[in-house]
Amino acid sequence: NAGVTQTPKFQVLKTGQSMTLQCAQDMNHNSMYWYRQDPGMGLRLIYYSASEGTTDKGEVPNGYNVSRLNKREFSLRLESAAPSQTSVYFCASSENNEQFFGPGTRLTVL
Amino acid sequence: GEDVEQSLFLSVREGDSSVINCTYTDSSSTYLYWYKQEPGAGLQLLTYIFSNMDMKQDQRLTVLLNKKDKHLSLRIADTQTGDSAIYFCAERGGGSYIPTFGRGTSLIVHP
Repeated sequence: NAGVTQTPKFQVLKTGQSMTLQCAQDMNHNSMYWYRQDPGMGLRLIYYSASEGTTDKGEVPNGYNVSRLNKREFSLRLESAAPSQTSVYFCASSENNEQFFGPGTRLTVL
Repeated sequence: GEDVEQSLFLSVREGDSSVINCTYTDSSSTYLYWYKQEPGAGLQLLTYIFSNMDMKQDQRLTVLLNKKDKHLSLRIADTQTGDSAIYFCAERGGGSYIPTFGRGTSLIVHP
């Protein structure tokens, strides 16, 4: 099992560009999440999906959209990137009591 | 909203015990977690405790829960340089499956 995988690992964007961060899990989990991690801020929830076909806003959803393409995949889209979106993005999935995290995508917006 | 607080840094000498503390505000918390994040990696669950427990021990790790004071601690015995990482406390209330994370404590282990 690969667990939770994320692509790309690193990305540099110019202000105003768009991109999609991909996430997939092979553990047959119903719930999936997108977080951003900033220095001194811990993890902040952007969006989550309780099950295939549903998505909900988290703590910091502005500037992002998500798609739960199927049970395995949950993508995060930045339509018009801003420097404030420079961060490390983590995808996670869960079933019952434990969340499993991907290795992260480090995004820089110039 | 609910809050989880941790100190940002802890420095210890190799071989000593480390104690990382956490406080939370949600009185309905049912699950409390400790996650470890190594440099350049995602978070990995170390251990968790149910709110009806006072203590849980797993090899070098001991978790203590004081539910009255809403205080959680993680003790690492015989701390090694490989334990250097960021440790996140998290809690989850019974009515939600989404945990609330603290800001993380950076543990630095000196040889």
